[in-house]
Amino acid sequence: GAGVSQSPSNKVTEKGKDVELRCDPISGHTALYWYRQSLGQGLEFLIYFQGNSAPDKSGLPSDRFSAERTGGSVSTLTIQRTQQEDSAVYLCASSLTGWANQPQHFGDGTRLSIL
Amino acid sequence: AQKITQTQPGMFVQEKEAVTLDCTYDTSDPSYGLFWYKQPSSGEMIFLIYQGSYDQQNATEGRYSLNFQKARKSANLVISASQLGDSAMYFCAMREGHGGSQGNLIFGKGTKLSVKP
Repeated sequence: GAGVSQSPSNKVTEKGKDVELRCDPISGHTALYWYRQSLGQGLEFLIYFQGNSAPDKSGLPSDRFSAERTGGSVSTLTIQRTQQEDSAVYLCASSLTGWANQPQHFGDGTRLSIL
Repeated sequence: AQKITQTQPGMFVQEKEAVTLDCTYDTSDPSYGLFWYKQPSSGEMIFLIYQGSYDQQNATEGRYSLNFQKARKSANLVISASQLGDSAMYFCAMREGHGGSQGNLIFGKGTKLSVKP
């Protein structure tokens, strides 16, 4: 399809395991964003990519969280040594450019559950 | 301090009537953008409408319009002729600056709209 694609759609894992979440942005979009949505915290920004570099990673909650983007396209968000508080829906978005007037288009998210 | 405030956790509207969802914001940056998103129960976030801080006219997109009152720092979403499919969570969001190094949308806590037949 033409939209932002995220995989897996659901992930259940045990506490302490590492997880990798994938985002495939809309073709031609240079900017990519990760957010997470949980009941208690609402929608929180995690990291922003312009091309392959991340000018804003201010939202990453701890050094267990990392993300990369390769080829100016696909991005992966990695959470190491998962904790129960990491349970949330992880949303990826992309926009045509990084300009503030560009709407961010979201994928359907990955629902992460830590047992 | 909250940067985006949505004071209505839940609202009801009769089908075919208009409804206004409130949003106030707080920023000292003269350049910013305001966005509204819809999130149905299925979970996807759908972009609805955008208003830039320097825009002279209120934004409109089909049945959606944005009542932008800059001095009051409010950006209310107006949905005309409500439909059953409009039942969803609605989020107001802001992005400060021109972009570039700052990427994030700051979201309000949302308003759950229920359209009654």
